[in-house]
Amino acid sequence: DAKTTQPPSMDCAEGRAANLPCNHSTISGNEYVYWYRQIHSQGPQYIIHGLKNNETNEMASLIITEDRKSSTLILPHATLRDTAVYYCIVRVLTDSWGKLQFGAGTQVVVTP
Amino acid sequence: EAGVAQSPRYKIIEKRQSVAFWCNPISGHATLYWYQQILGQGPKLLIQFQNNGVVDDSQLPKDRFSAERLKGVDSTLKIQPAKLEDSAVYLCASSLEAGGTQYFGPGTRLTVL
Repeated sequence: DAKTTQPPSMDCAEGRAANLPCNHSTISGNEYVYWYRQIHSQGPQYIIHGLKNNETNEMASLIITEDRKSSTLILPHATLRDTAVYYCIVRVLTDSWGKLQFGAGTQVVVTP
Repeated sequence: EAGVAQSPRYKIIEKRQSVAFWCNPISGHATLYWYQQILGQGPKLLIQFQNNGVVDDSQLPKDRFSAERLKGVDSTLKIQPAKLEDSAVYLCASSLEAGGTQYFGPGTRLTVL
């Protein structure tokens, strides 16, 4: 079973920041937080990952709380192309060769 | 850099028929994964290869599903015989090494009638 909890859906206005929450209250010290997204009819796309520090790349920022029990993915300026299902995954790199266990994710719809 | 290639993109078969899917991972990637994604759900790992060896096939229904990666590059996933509940998108992914970032192909959508 997935170890994360995400809202099933959320809407966001184009040009505004999208803040996607994820709860992972049972996360272990050796588990990373990964984010993927899946645009309709495409395979999942890697976004970002982190252990305990906040991370930023060209796509998004990842904010992890100090106790690591939750995190937020931030899309700074959402566009219509960001409409997708977003998956938050915790992953142990030393267990089962680091497999990904996807949950149902959050359906994000960006509106004009 | 070329991404993960999969073929065919779509396949329609009748139950009890056989079907095979092909995957060409990103060049140099040692680890290859096959996932099954049923409509409305997240992908589920079926099998993971490290080079040409299987490291995890615990979720693979071995009575009807088989997969191989003979030369440590391309891989095929076969279903024989297919059941209605096998209707899904079959995704292939690869990573440079086990535990590395996984890159996914576009998937093959299978419909079993």
